[in-house]
Amino acid sequence: DQQVKQNSPSLSVQEGRISILNCDYTNSMFDYFLWYKKYPAEGPTFLISISSIKDKNEDGRFTVFLNKSAKHLSLHIVPSQPGDSAVYFCAASASSNDYKLSFGAGTTVTVRA
Amino acid sequence: DAGVIQSPRHEVTEMGQEVTLRCKPISGHDYLFWYRQTMMRGLELLIYFNNNVPIDDSGMPEDRFSAKMPNASFSTLKIQPSEPRDSAVYFCASSKIGTVNTEAFFGQGTRLTVV
Repeated sequence: DQQVKQNSPSLSVQEGRISILNCDYTNSMFDYFLWYKKYPAEGPTFLISISSIKDKNEDGRFTVFLNKSAKHLSLHIVPSQPGDSAVYFCAASASSNDYKLSFGAGTTVTVRA
Repeated sequence: DAGVIQSPRHEVTEMGQEVTLRCKPISGHDYLFWYRQTMMRGLELLIYFNNNVPIDDSGMPEDRFSAKMPNASFSTLKIQPSEPRDSAVYFCASSKIGTVNTEAFFGQGTRLTVV
């Protein structure tokens, strides 16, 4: 039973526009959330994270928003660039209990020139 | 640091054969994770270790799968006997306890094909 869900398997966006990726979770014990980016034939790499004590975290073109009451988070990429084309995984942990990460199935983003 | 190192990068084996995947975590990291990536389920956690001790193996699909961590710098994931449905990319990751950020660092993965 997946506790982290990414319901959109793919997203296509034009270069320069905003990409919005969504993620929902079911486990109320999750208190730390991360986004990973994965290129083909490579391992996932950490992109950005947010603690449950915050509702927004920004790092350059990447912003993550957290809505705890809705158990929902989103990743915004502005502006989208061709190099952003990759698979994006949402992950969560209940870091107060352990450090394992539960991942969503991923969203493949394609940025069109 | 070279990061998390996995070997082999690619493995093709026949059904029924034993397969061993290897992982060297980042030095100083306390946690080691084995994940499996499939198209249908994305990244699934198979098992993880803390200070070389298995903590949670509930993700291991069957008794055919086993994992060991004999020391802080080495772990193996073994499948015996292998089956075609085991074909996937297997990732090893490590992280360090005590940091606010529970970020895990991933290796490049082993692509396993069982024919």
